[in-house]
Amino acid sequence: AQSVTQPDARVTVSEGASLQLRCKYSYSGTPYLFWYVQYPRQGLQLLLKYYSGDPVVQGVNGFEAEFSKSNSSFHLRKASVHWSDSAVYFCALSGNSAGNKLTFGIGTRVLVRP
Amino acid sequence: VTLLEQNPRWRLVPRGQAVNLRCILKNSQYPWMSWYQQDLQKQLQWLFTLRSPGDKEVKSLPGADYLATRVTDTELRLQVANMSQGRTLYCTCSGRDWGVNQDTQYFGPGTRLLVL
Repeated sequence: AQSVTQPDARVTVSEGASLQLRCKYSYSGTPYLFWYVQYPRQGLQLLLKYYSGDPVVQGVNGFEAEFSKSNSSFHLRKASVHWSDSAVYFCALSGNSAGNKLTFGIGTRVLVRP
Repeated sequence: VTLLEQNPRWRLVPRGQAVNLRCILKNSQYPWMSWYQQDLQKQLQWLFTLRSPGDKEVKSLPGADYLATRVTDTELRLQVANMSQGRTLYCTCSGRDWGVNQDTQYFGPGTRLLVL
């Protein structure tokens, strides 16, 4: 069985501040991990993904995530947020590279205050 | 840019009525197309992945019954029936590439259903 936990349902930050969104996973094998973002009235968009190698992966719009096998985590962060980063962020995992079934976390809603 | 269209984008569904959703790839062809559903404030949950035109699958979950059909290489459909009254459901489709980006799923904008 596999699962993804995003412990923070909502996060509010001020523009220009740093942001970290937490993601913990449970999976017996080597996970393929993803962060997606969903803006209002739009579909999920891929921010970044991790399979192997450097545990810090860079994504779009200044986002990066760090994989930790020992902590079973894949936290997302951004050094300085903009109001346009207000959205819902989803962490997801797949059990293999050709996996069709993504297991998602419940999502974290981020509100960036001007 | 990969583009998946979904229609309708939202629908009020009278209790006991089924609704048919469409997902269309506009500028590409992905072998694998999938449906996901999400209840209000719950996790997005995988429903089906269909590979070839003519493929069909059914599934019954608490609160709704689902029938998915791969109509063509670029169209996927979902019939949702027997939804619980008062339920708010979000359904989204995805297409998965093959080759170098076979790990990445691209998602449509989704359909929101509110059962009266």
